Amino acid sequence: KQEVTQIPAALSVPEGENLVLNCSFTDSAIYNLQWFRQDPGKGLTSLLLIQSSQREQTSGRLNASLDKSSGRSTLYIAASQPGDSATYLCAVLQGGSEKLVFGKGTKLTVNP
Amino acid sequence: DTGVSQDPRHKITKRGQNVTFRCDPISEHNRLYWYRQTLGQGPEFLTYFQNEAQLEKSRLLSDRFSAERPKGSFSTLEIQRTEQGDSAMYLCASSLGMGTPYSNQPQHFGDGTRLSIL
Repeated sequence: KQEVTQIPAALSVPEGENLVLNCSFTDSAIYNLQWFRQDPGKGLTSLLLIQSSQREQTSGRLNASLDKSSGRSTLYIAASQPGDSATYLCAVLQGGSEKLVFGKGTKLTVNP
Repeated sequence: DTGVSQDPRHKITKRGQNVTFRCDPISEHNRLYWYRQTLGQGPEFLTYFQNEAQLEKSRLLSDRFSAERPKGSFSTLEIQRTEQGDSAMYLCASSLGMGTPYSNQPQHFGDGTRLSIL
């Protein structure tokens, strides 16, 4: 059974700092990996999707990497801003299924 | 692109009542998903439709739960005889299947329906 773990559970940083969020998964037979952002009481906003054959994806100040063989992904946020404060969730699409398996998320607070 | 729309946003009901939620996916998306999220947890998969066909169901989807997607457009999720443990956020997502067996397109989520059981 696929399990997705995100470390740390919570992170507080000053504005302007670069930071890394970590995601690990137990079964490397994934089809893709997606990073999402969730604001309180809201749904999920898709940030980046990395195919299993890719190593990284970039969007603006965000960069996500994938090491499928070791079961790890990182989300790098450059020059963090208070508006980046949210919970960040990582999810894998298991091979042979259409379901996303999610981690519990990392709650990020960026202090002005 | 108006996004995934869910209705209602909040639902409060007494234990034992039936509830129904609606999801309108992004208009050109042929794939639709339901997830459930409880406080402090990531979403858990419930079921998946491709067009009007329900192709995958989680064991979480007990016989009190039923989902439909008539005509392959909007979807409804019904919970019968609600229990305290059904209190959660119910999230709908959609994506565009490009002919491959498994979608390489991101799943786009709505803002969810928060269900509270009294």
